[in-house]
Amino acid sequence: DVKVTQSSRYLVKRTGEKVFLECVQDMDHENMFWYRQDPGLGLRLIYFSYDVKMKEKGDIPEGYSVSREKKERFSLILESASTNQTSMYLCASSFGEFEQYFGPGTRLTVT
Amino acid sequence: DQQVKQNSPSLSVQEGRISILNCDYTNSMFDYFLWYKKYPAEGPTFLISISSIKDKNEDGRFTVFLNKSAKHLSLHIVPSQPGDSAVYFCAASGRPTGGFKTIFGAGTRLFVKA
Repeated sequence: DVKVTQSSRYLVKRTGEKVFLECVQDMDHENMFWYRQDPGLGLRLIYFSYDVKMKEKGDIPEGYSVSREKKERFSLILESASTNQTSMYLCASSFGEFEQYFGPGTRLTVT
Repeated sequence: DQQVKQNSPSLSVQEGRISILNCDYTNSMFDYFLWYKKYPAEGPTFLISISSIKDKNEDGRFTVFLNKSAKHLSLHIVPSQPGDSAVYFCAASGRPTGGFKTIFGAGTRLFVKA
């Protein structure tokens, strides 16, 4: 069974703080993704990575950065958190261009 | 510009009856389509997929139909069970603008009443 874990289930941060969300997968998948889920908007891709040290912008990268130093780990960074970044953040991994395996999500609240 | 649309935000069905969830896409370059199921406080889980070379794929109670000419796919659940109550996301994968992408719809919340 593929397992994707995320560092926190719930997080509360203040405006302006730097926030790190970490994701780890244990199936040697080459692809990793960060999404945010908001009501009525579905899953929107923030960034993805097809290989170590490689990253590509998704549909909504503004205000975010990512890091992939090891194949199994993909981090999402909010350099200066803002209230409009309050959301559910989902990490996923995949082998090739097929189904993605998701972590449980991190519910981030920025106050 | 929503490339993948799920026009019904919610659907309510009686236990034992058929649930039909619909999805439309706009770009004919998508060639692989997936359905995911999401329970509250959990990540989405893959349910079933279909390649553009097929028009039907079945897995137990779940069947996905693809109509390429109409750019439409649907998920049928028969018979529906209370445990099927969840949000269902449709997704389309391919190279619509050159690079590989997977685009998700906004989701449909299914309620199965006992």
